[in-house]
Amino acid sequence: AQSVTQLDSHVSVSEGTPVLLRCNYSSSYSPSLFWYVQHPNKGLQLLLKYTSAATLVKGINGFEAEFKKSETSFHLTKPSAHMSDAAEYFCVVSDPDNFNKFYFGSGTKLNVKP
Amino acid sequence: SQTIHQWPATLVQPVGSPLSLECTVEGTSNPNLYWYRQAAGRGLQLLFYSVGIGQISSEVPQNLSASRPQDRQFILSSKKLLLSDSGFYLCAWSRQHTEAFFGQGTRLTVV
Repeated sequence: AQSVTQLDSHVSVSEGTPVLLRCNYSSSYSPSLFWYVQHPNKGLQLLLKYTSAATLVKGINGFEAEFKKSETSFHLTKPSAHMSDAAEYFCVVSDPDNFNKFYFGSGTKLNVKP
Repeated sequence: SQTIHQWPATLVQPVGSPLSLECTVEGTSNPNLYWYRQAAGRGLQLLFYSVGIGQISSEVPQNLSASRPQDRQFILSSKKLLLSDSGFYLCAWSRQHTEAFFGQGTRLTVV
């Protein structure tokens, strides 16, 4: 079965400092992994995706994530936080052999301090 | 390009009243369709998914049902709402081996 664990429910950083949002996954095969961002009362926007190509994935707004199979991790990073990055972030694993169902982590709320 | 529409954006309904939330997708055919619910402070829970017209699978037992009367239309319903049905409901679509694309969501408050 597929599952995702987001290790931090809240992360607080200062503007201009690096961001690290942690995600570990469990999958019985080579997974597809995603990071989505959600601003309050809005839908979800795809930041980036990993689908068995390059292990370092670059996304929108300066975010990137590295797929590490040995650690079953897919952590999201950004070198320098911006105030507009404050939102909730979800790590997601999909099951393409099971109707492409998506399984979400519990989310990490990112707070960016001025 | 593909777009997904979900309405209404917000809804306040009394306990025991019926519910109908609608989602439509444009610009693609035969998509996989999904309904998710997001309760306060929690992640997204998959409620239903559909791989074709009239084909609905439920992930969790609940007071809700779903229907897909047309290829790109997905409806979430309830005959009698409960307080516990309150939450943020999101419709999504995908193709096989692609990411999911989400609607803007419906904030449902049952009072």
